[in-house]
Amino acid sequence: GAGVSQSPRYKVAKRGQDVALRCDPISGHVSLFWYQQALGQGPEFLTYFQNEAQLDKSGLPSDRFFAERPEGSVSTLKIQRTQQEDSAVYLCASSSLGRARGGDTQYFGPGTRLTVL
Amino acid sequence: DAKTTQPNSMESNEEEPVHLPCNHSTISGTDYIHWYRQLPSQGPEYVIHGLTSNVNNRMASLAIAEDRKSSTLILHRATLRDAAVYYCILHQGGSNYKLTFGKGTLLTVNP
Repeated sequence: GAGVSQSPRYKVAKRGQDVALRCDPISGHVSLFWYQQALGQGPEFLTYFQNEAQLDKSGLPSDRFFAERPEGSVSTLKIQRTQQEDSAVYLCASSSLGRARGGDTQYFGPGTRLTVL
Repeated sequence: DAKTTQPNSMESNEEEPVHLPCNHSTISGTDYIHWYRQLPSQGPEYVIHGLTSNVNNRMASLAIAEDRKSSTLILHRATLRDAAVYYCILHQGGSNYKLTFGKGTLLTVNP
């Protein structure tokens, strides 16, 4: 079946521009996560949704970052007034929230590489 | 989340076994040990997880020390497609859903 998809795969933005990154999770997956991965580093958690509810946004680095999932499926990560330090790969992951023992497996998309000039 | 320590890099030859170590001396009783890997230009993918007993699946085996302060991911016959960054992560499950990644181990597989 289809996995997690993200678009665009690559985005180049001029400093100060707003960008929107899209994530299509696996159909039926309740949980959705956004992570940020800087070059040479592991992914870092940004925010978590359970259906349309944003239950954890503790990882969002500033108020320029905003995420939404209005209908509990597709999610959009928006970055306003982009800065050079926002350059990174943005990963989306989904899971089925089966409350599996030991934690649910997260399925990741290929990521969106954002470059801010 | 408790912290894990992994070597920055390891090298292996094709078709030989690979043992990737992970130290987690501050692991709590409710922490599960998860392994994910990330191939070049892809998102991470789940490999295996366990609590106390050794685990096997089609991708790998996970050997967990008796005191649970360390574990080893075992790839029985490395292929060129196994070249990736391997992350060892402690995960409580339940209400703690996010994954906390370290830098992982970059595995190079030589033909």
